[in-house]
Amino acid sequence: AQSVTQLGSHVSVSEGALVLLRCNYSSSVPPYLFWYVQYPNQGLQLLLKYTTGATLVKGINGFEAEFKKSETSFHLTKPSAHMSDAAEYFCAVTKSGGSYIPTFGRGTSLIVHP
Amino acid sequence: DTAVSQTPKYLVTQMGNDKSIKCEQNLGHDTMYWYKQDSKKFLKIMFSYNNKELIINETVPNRFSPKSPDKAHLNLHINSLELGDSAVYFCASSQVVSGPGTDTQYFGPGTRLTVL
Repeated sequence: AQSVTQLGSHVSVSEGALVLLRCNYSSSVPPYLFWYVQYPNQGLQLLLKYTTGATLVKGINGFEAEFKKSETSFHLTKPSAHMSDAAEYFCAVTKSGGSYIPTFGRGTSLIVHP
Repeated sequence: DTAVSQTPKYLVTQMGNDKSIKCEQNLGHDTMYWYKQDSKKFLKIMFSYNNKELIINETVPNRFSPKSPDKAHLNLHINSLELGDSAVYFCASSQVVSGPGTDTQYFGPGTRLTVL
């Protein structure tokens, strides 16, 4: 079975600081990896995804993530946090374990301080 | 121009009642889903339909019955509601373009169900 682990249920940063949200997966085959964001009282929306090709993936709102097979990781970063980035972030995996339905991590709440 | 819409947004009801949640997507996608998000934000898939056919049923109690009258609609009916059913229910849709598993999920705004 495929699984995703997000380290840290809450991450707190100051406005303008680097954002780093961690995601590790378990898989016997190269998976497809996604980051979604959920703003308060809204549904999830895609930030970025890795399927094939370049391992550094750029997404919306200045976010990017790098697929590192050797570390089984897909960490999400943003150089400079904005107050508007405060939200819940979910890492998800598909294809791993033969399943094409996404398995979501438990989410990381990003708190941005002024 | 809402892509995936759900009604109602909030649903408060008593234990034992039966309720339905409706979902519609105007994206032309073939696949639709129901997810349950619990109070700790954990998101778990319940059902998946492809072109009105059920393809995934993830060990959900049979009190939950999805119905897809056409590929743009996927409704969720819940019988005999229990306290543990309180959660936010999300509808989503997707379309495979580049291969299975690569598709982006488009989520509705959610329905917050509270069972008293």
